[in-house]
Amino acid sequence: DQQVKQNSPSLSVQEGRISILNCDYTNSMFDYFLWYKKYPAEGPTFLISISSIKDKNEDGRFTVFLNKSAKHLSLHIVPSQPGDSAVYFCAASLITQGGSEKLVFGKGTKLTVNP
Amino acid sequence: GAVVSQHPSWVICKSGTSVKIECRSLDFQATTMFWYRQFPKQSLMLMATSNEGSKATYEQGVEKDKFLINHASLTLSTLTVTSAHPEDSSFYICSAGGLAGGPFLIDTQYFGPGTRLTVL
Repeated sequence: DQQVKQNSPSLSVQEGRISILNCDYTNSMFDYFLWYKKYPAEGPTFLISISSIKDKNEDGRFTVFLNKSAKHLSLHIVPSQPGDSAVYFCAASLITQGGSEKLVFGKGTKLTVNP
Repeated sequence: GAVVSQHPSWVICKSGTSVKIECRSLDFQATTMFWYRQFPKQSLMLMATSNEGSKATYEQGVEKDKFLINHASLTLSTLTVTSAHPEDSSFYICSAGGLAGGPFLIDTQYFGPGTRLTVL
């Protein structure tokens, strides 16, 4: 059972326009959400996060929105730049029964920003 | 498809002992596997990149003699934490990348479920 889903494997947008990457989750116990960006042949790097008690977090061109009732979060990139072309992973944090934290990842969405 | 497993999912060990964590790609062949360490509410820290049949490339600050990585086949990589100490307690995650020309995106990674290590 995949608890974190990124249903769009790829997305293509024009430079200067908005990129919206979506992520859905099923476990209401997730308390923290993160987005990672990955370039080819490199490991993912942290981009932005949001606590489950908030509905929006903004950092420069990147904004993450959280809709808890819909169990949905999205990453907005405005304006999109060719250098944003990468694979974006959504991850959710969960405190396990043992009290430790665990990350669950989606399968990623490949974003291509065309000049 | 694109399932990555880790074993064990959690382990508790005494200080000074060694612990081996396995990362397997179950339905595809992985030329590259990444090992990460995650701290509470923080981003992943890339520890090393391993390519099948060659030595792992460690990130700066990661002790290669303490964190031994072996990528013996296209479906298995192992991380051995040698002489573990309480400060090594963490959540370790692996990810695996597929072969070129395969059914999966070459530039994406598939994450394992992670292994919780607690060193007493």
